[in-house]
Amino acid sequence: NAGVTQTPKFQVLKTGQSMTLQCAQDMNHNSMYWYRQDPGMGLRLIYYSASEGTTDKGEVPNGYNVSRLNKREFSLRLESAAPSQTSVYFCASSEGTGTYNEQFFGPGTRLTVL
Amino acid sequence: QKEVEQNSGPLSVPEGAIASLNCTYSDRGSQSFFWYRQYSGKSPELIMFIYSNGDKEDGRFTAQLNKASQYVSLLIRDSQPSDSATYLCAVHAGNNRKLIWGLGTSLAVNP
Repeated sequence: NAGVTQTPKFQVLKTGQSMTLQCAQDMNHNSMYWYRQDPGMGLRLIYYSASEGTTDKGEVPNGYNVSRLNKREFSLRLESAAPSQTSVYFCASSEGTGTYNEQFFGPGTRLTVL
Repeated sequence: QKEVEQNSGPLSVPEGAIASLNCTYSDRGSQSFFWYRQYSGKSPELIMFIYSNGDKEDGRFTAQLNKASQYVSLLIRDSQPSDSATYLCAVHAGNNRKLIWGLGTSLAVNP
């Protein structure tokens, strides 16, 4: 039982390049989330998927797109990377989005945009 | 005013002491409260959650909730150097589907 997995662990991009961050969970959770974490800013929600087939914007969605590929997988795409997107990206999942659902995090992707 | 506030620290305690971490929140409709621990360079991991006023104990950890004062705390008894980490408070309001995160408190337990 791997929990939440993310690939890649590290990535360096040049400004304007694109990439997709992959996330998968094996806990049969309905809801999945993408966060970014920056020093002094805390965890900020980029996008989330309450259930398979749905996606919604979070606090900082600009410059990102997401795809809920199936119940297990939720990907985050940067179409044209900018230095401001240098961050640590975490994927998380939960049984649902209700009040009593704790979130479980993947190990993170450390992205640097030059 | 931030929706979830925590003292950034660092909070420094000697080994064996009680560490007290505090979190206040602004939405009176908040219904569930979570404490996560994050080691440097790692992802957040859930320590405890609490839904009802009062205390909830799990091993060396006790969460305390006071909804009237909009305050939740985490006590760590017999603190160990391995407890040195950043502790994140997260609050779930009833009407939205997202957790609201504090910026975290850095804890250092000195041998």
